[in-house]
Amino acid sequence: ETGVTQTPRHLVMGMTNKKSLKCEQHLGHNAMYWYKQSAKKPLELMFVYNFKEQTENNSVPSRFSPECPNSSHLFLHLHTLQPEDSALYLCASSQELAGGPGSTDTQYFGPGTRLTVL
Amino acid sequence: GESVGLHLPTLSVQEGDNSIINCAYSNSASDYFIWYKQESGKGPQFIIDIRSNMDKRQGQRVTVLLNKTVKHLSLQIAATQPGDSAVYFCAEKSYNTDKLIFGTGTRLQVFP
Repeated sequence: ETGVTQTPRHLVMGMTNKKSLKCEQHLGHNAMYWYKQSAKKPLELMFVYNFKEQTENNSVPSRFSPECPNSSHLFLHLHTLQPEDSALYLCASSQELAGGPGSTDTQYFGPGTRLTVL
Repeated sequence: GESVGLHLPTLSVQEGDNSIINCAYSNSASDYFIWYKQESGKGPQFIIDIRSNMDKRQGQRVTVLLNKTVKHLSLQIAATQPGDSAVYFCAEKSYNTDKLIFGTGTRLQVFP
Protein backbone atom coordinates (compact mmCIF):
# COMPACT_ATOMS: atom_id res chain seq x y z
CA GLU A 1 0.00 0.00 0.00
CA THR A 2 1.21 3.48 -0.75
CA GLY A 3 -0.04 6.94 0.15
CA VAL A 4 -2.96 7.40 2.48
CA THR A 5 -5.58 4.68 2.90
CA GLN A 6 -8.96 4.86 4.59
CA THR A 7 -11.41 2.19 5.68
CA PRO A 8 -14.22 1.62 5.28
CA ARG A 9 -14.90 3.41 2.00
CA HIS A 10 -18.63 3.48 2.68
CA LEU A 11 -20.51 3.37 5.96
CA VAL A 12 -24.20 3.51 6.78
CA MET A 13 -25.12 3.82 10.42
CA GLY A 14 -28.07 4.61 12.62
CA MET A 15 -28.07 7.48 15.07
CA THR A 16 -27.58 5.12 18.04
CA ASN A 17 -24.68 3.17 16.53
CA LYS A 18 -21.01 3.44 17.40
CA LYS A 19 -18.51 3.06 14.60
CA SER A 20 -14.92 4.00 13.83
CA LEU A 21 -13.17 5.29 10.74
CA LYS A 22 -9.59 4.31 10.16
CA CYS A 23 -6.79 6.08 8.33
CA GLU A 24 -3.27 4.89 7.67
CA GLN A 25 -0.49 6.78 5.97
CA HIS A 26 2.54 5.12 4.37
CA LEU A 27 4.43 8.34 3.61
CA GLY A 28 6.49 8.66 6.77
CA HIS A 29 4.69 11.87 7.70
CA ASN A 30 4.33 13.16 11.23
CA ALA A 31 1.05 15.07 11.00
CA MET A 32 -2.42 13.75 10.26
CA TYR A 33 -5.77 15.45 9.74
CA TRP A 34 -9.48 14.74 9.62
CA TYR A 35 -11.66 16.79 7.29
CA LYS A 36 -15.37 16.78 6.61
CA GLN A 37 -16.55 17.39 3.05
CA SER A 38 -20.22 18.21 2.54
CA ALA A 39 -21.88 19.03 -0.75
CA LYS A 40 -21.21 22.55 -2.02
CA LYS A 41 -19.12 23.47 1.03
CA PRO A 42 -15.39 23.94 1.44
CA LEU A 43 -13.45 21.22 3.18
CA GLU A 44 -13.86 21.66 6.93
CA LEU A 45 -10.87 20.89 9.09
CA MET A 46 -11.92 18.84 12.12
CA PHE A 47 -8.77 17.66 13.90
CA VAL A 48 -5.03 17.91 13.55
CA TYR A 49 -2.45 15.65 15.12
CA ASN A 50 1.16 16.75 14.97
CA PHE A 51 3.82 14.39 16.33
CA LYS A 52 0.89 12.34 17.74
CA GLU A 53 -0.34 15.26 19.81
CA GLN A 54 -3.68 16.84 19.06
CA THR A 55 -2.94 20.41 18.09
CA GLU A 56 -6.28 21.43 16.64
CA ASN A 57 -9.89 20.76 17.46
CA ASN A 58 -11.92 22.94 15.18
CA SER A 59 -15.02 23.21 17.40
CA VAL A 60 -16.09 19.71 16.52
CA PRO A 61 -19.02 18.18 18.49
CA SER A 62 -18.05 15.59 21.09
CA ARG A 63 -19.88 12.86 19.17
CA PHE A 64 -16.71 12.80 17.04
CA SER A 65 -13.70 11.51 18.95
CA PRO A 66 -10.26 11.22 17.32
CA GLU A 67 -7.49 8.88 18.29
CA CYS A 68 -3.91 8.86 17.05
CA PRO A 69 -1.98 5.91 18.54
CA ASN A 70 1.11 6.58 16.40
CA SER A 71 2.19 8.85 13.56
CA SER A 72 0.95 6.39 10.91
CA HIS A 73 -2.56 5.70 12.17
CA LEU A 74 -5.54 7.91 12.85
CA PHE A 75 -9.04 6.95 13.93
CA LEU A 76 -12.30 8.83 14.15
CA HIS A 77 -14.73 7.28 16.62
CA LEU A 78 -18.37 8.07 15.96
CA HIS A 79 -21.32 7.80 18.33
CA THR A 80 -24.88 9.13 18.42
CA LEU A 81 -24.44 10.94 15.14
CA GLN A 82 -27.09 13.07 13.46
CA PRO A 83 -28.30 12.88 9.84
CA GLU A 84 -26.55 16.20 9.13
CA ASP A 85 -23.26 14.44 9.89
CA SER A 86 -23.63 12.52 6.63
CA ALA A 87 -20.67 13.54 4.48
CA LEU A 88 -17.37 12.42 3.02
CA TYR A 89 -14.74 12.18 5.74
CA LEU A 90 -11.24 12.68 4.48
CA CYS A 91 -7.96 11.91 6.14
CA ALA A 92 -4.75 13.65 5.15
CA SER A 93 -1.13 13.61 6.21
CA SER A 94 1.82 15.93 5.85
CA GLN A 95 5.40 16.34 6.98
CA GLU A 96 5.50 19.18 9.43
CA LEU A 97 8.87 20.71 10.18
CA ALA A 98 9.86 21.27 13.78
CA GLY A 99 10.05 24.95 13.04
CA GLY A 100 6.37 25.29 13.79
CA PRO A 101 3.88 27.54 11.98
CA GLY A 102 5.00 28.56 8.56
CA SER A 103 6.44 25.19 7.65
CA THR A 104 5.36 23.99 4.25
CA ASP A 105 2.10 22.12 4.58
CA THR A 106 1.51 19.98 1.50
CA GLN A 107 -1.21 17.62 2.62
CA TYR A 108 -1.85 14.33 0.90
CA PHE A 109 -5.36 12.95 1.11
CA GLY A 110 -6.89 9.51 1.34
CA PRO A 111 -9.91 8.47 -0.75
CA GLY A 112 -12.36 9.24 2.04
CA THR A 113 -15.16 7.39 3.81
CA ARG A 114 -18.65 8.16 2.56
CA LEU A 115 -20.77 8.23 5.73
CA THR A 116 -24.55 8.11 5.72
CA VAL A 117 -26.40 8.54 9.01
CA LEU A 118 -29.99 7.32 9.00
CA GLY B 1 -11.75 37.42 7.94
CA GLU B 2 -10.01 34.75 5.95
CA SER B 3 -11.73 33.47 2.87
CA VAL B 4 -10.75 31.68 -0.26
CA GLY B 5 -13.25 31.82 -3.07
CA LEU B 6 -13.57 30.65 -6.63
CA HIS B 7 -14.98 32.84 -9.35
CA LEU B 8 -16.82 30.15 -11.34
CA PRO B 9 -18.46 27.03 -9.97
CA THR B 10 -18.39 25.21 -13.34
CA LEU B 11 -16.05 25.56 -16.31
CA SER B 12 -16.70 23.74 -19.59
CA VAL B 13 -13.89 23.47 -22.14
CA GLN B 14 -13.31 21.60 -25.35
CA GLU B 15 -10.72 18.86 -25.40
CA GLY B 16 -7.39 20.30 -26.52
CA ASP B 17 -8.13 23.82 -25.37
CA ASN B 18 -6.41 25.48 -22.44
CA SER B 19 -8.29 25.84 -19.14
CA ILE B 20 -7.94 28.60 -16.60
CA ILE B 21 -9.37 28.23 -13.12
CA ASN B 22 -9.30 31.26 -10.86
CA CYS B 23 -9.20 31.73 -7.13
CA ALA B 24 -9.32 34.82 -4.91
CA TYR B 25 -8.08 35.03 -1.36
CA SER B 26 -8.46 37.76 1.21
CA ASN B 27 -5.73 37.12 3.77
CA SER B 28 -2.69 39.21 2.93
CA ALA B 29 -0.67 37.08 5.35
CA SER B 30 -1.09 34.00 3.13
CA ASP B 31 2.27 32.78 1.93
CA TYR B 32 1.64 29.32 0.57
CA PHE B 33 -0.92 28.16 -1.97
CA ILE B 34 -1.89 24.76 -3.30
CA TRP B 35 -4.11 23.46 -6.07
CA TYR B 36 -5.87 20.15 -5.63
CA LYS B 37 -7.85 18.04 -8.08
CA GLN B 38 -10.68 15.83 -6.87
CA GLU B 39 -12.21 13.22 -9.13
CA SER B 40 -15.52 11.61 -8.38
CA GLY B 41 -15.24 9.10 -5.55
CA LYS B 42 -11.67 10.06 -4.70
CA GLY B 43 -9.90 12.29 -2.26
CA PRO B 44 -8.22 15.56 -3.31
CA GLN B 45 -4.99 15.00 -5.21
CA PHE B 46 -2.11 17.47 -4.98
CA ILE B 47 -1.39 19.15 -8.33
CA ILE B 48 0.98 22.04 -7.76
CA ASP B 49 1.93 24.57 -5.12
CA ILE B 50 3.51 28.00 -4.99
CA ARG B 51 5.04 30.17 -2.30
CA SER B 52 4.46 33.87 -2.01
CA ASN B 53 8.01 34.73 -3.08
CA MET B 54 7.17 33.46 -6.56
CA ASP B 55 4.62 34.64 -9.10
CA LYS B 56 4.67 31.67 -11.44
CA ARG B 57 5.40 27.99 -11.23
CA GLN B 58 5.11 25.35 -13.91
CA GLY B 59 4.48 21.65 -13.74
CA GLN B 60 3.56 19.07 -16.31
CA ARG B 61 0.85 20.76 -18.41
CA VAL B 62 -0.09 22.97 -15.45
CA THR B 63 0.97 26.46 -14.48
CA VAL B 64 0.06 28.35 -11.34
CA LEU B 65 0.13 32.14 -11.34
CA LEU B 66 0.08 34.22 -8.20
CA ASN B 67 -0.77 37.92 -8.13
CA LYS B 68 -0.25 39.12 -4.60
CA THR B 69 -1.26 42.69 -5.45
CA VAL B 70 -4.85 41.67 -6.15
CA LYS B 71 -4.76 38.47 -4.07
CA HIS B 72 -5.50 36.25 -7.02
CA LEU B 73 -4.38 32.75 -7.89
CA SER B 74 -4.96 30.86 -11.12
CA LEU B 75 -4.39 27.38 -12.44
CA GLN B 76 -3.77 26.96 -16.14
CA ILE B 77 -4.09 23.55 -17.74
CA ALA B 78 -2.65 23.22 -21.22
CA ALA B 79 -4.25 20.98 -23.86
CA THR B 80 -7.07 19.91 -21.56
CA GLN B 81 -7.90 16.22 -21.70
CA PRO B 82 -11.00 14.24 -20.67
CA GLY B 83 -9.01 12.93 -17.70
CA ASP B 84 -8.75 16.48 -16.41
CA SER B 85 -12.48 16.52 -15.68
CA ALA B 86 -12.77 16.96 -11.91
CA VAL B 87 -13.35 19.52 -9.20
CA TYR B 88 -10.38 21.79 -8.58
CA PHE B 89 -9.73 23.39 -5.21
CA CYS B 90 -7.35 26.11 -4.23
CA ALA B 91 -6.07 26.27 -0.69
CA GLU B 92 -4.00 28.81 1.16
CA LYS B 93 -1.98 28.95 4.32
CA SER B 94 -0.62 31.81 6.31
CA TYR B 95 2.87 31.97 7.79
CA ASN B 96 1.37 32.28 11.29
CA THR B 97 -0.82 29.18 11.20
CA ASP B 98 -0.62 25.53 10.20
CA LYS B 99 -4.19 25.50 8.85
CA LEU B 100 -5.00 25.15 5.20
CA ILE B 101 -8.06 27.14 4.11
CA PHE B 102 -9.88 25.63 1.15
CA GLY B 103 -12.14 27.19 -1.45
CA THR B 104 -15.46 25.64 -2.46
CA GLY B 105 -14.12 24.23 -5.73
CA THR B 106 -14.63 24.65 -9.49
CA ARG B 107 -15.94 21.80 -11.58
CA LEU B 108 -14.06 21.41 -14.85
CA GLN B 109 -15.96 19.62 -17.61
CA VAL B 110 -14.13 18.61 -20.77
CA PHE B 111 -16.19 17.83 -23.84
CA PRO B 112 -14.98 16.33 -27.14
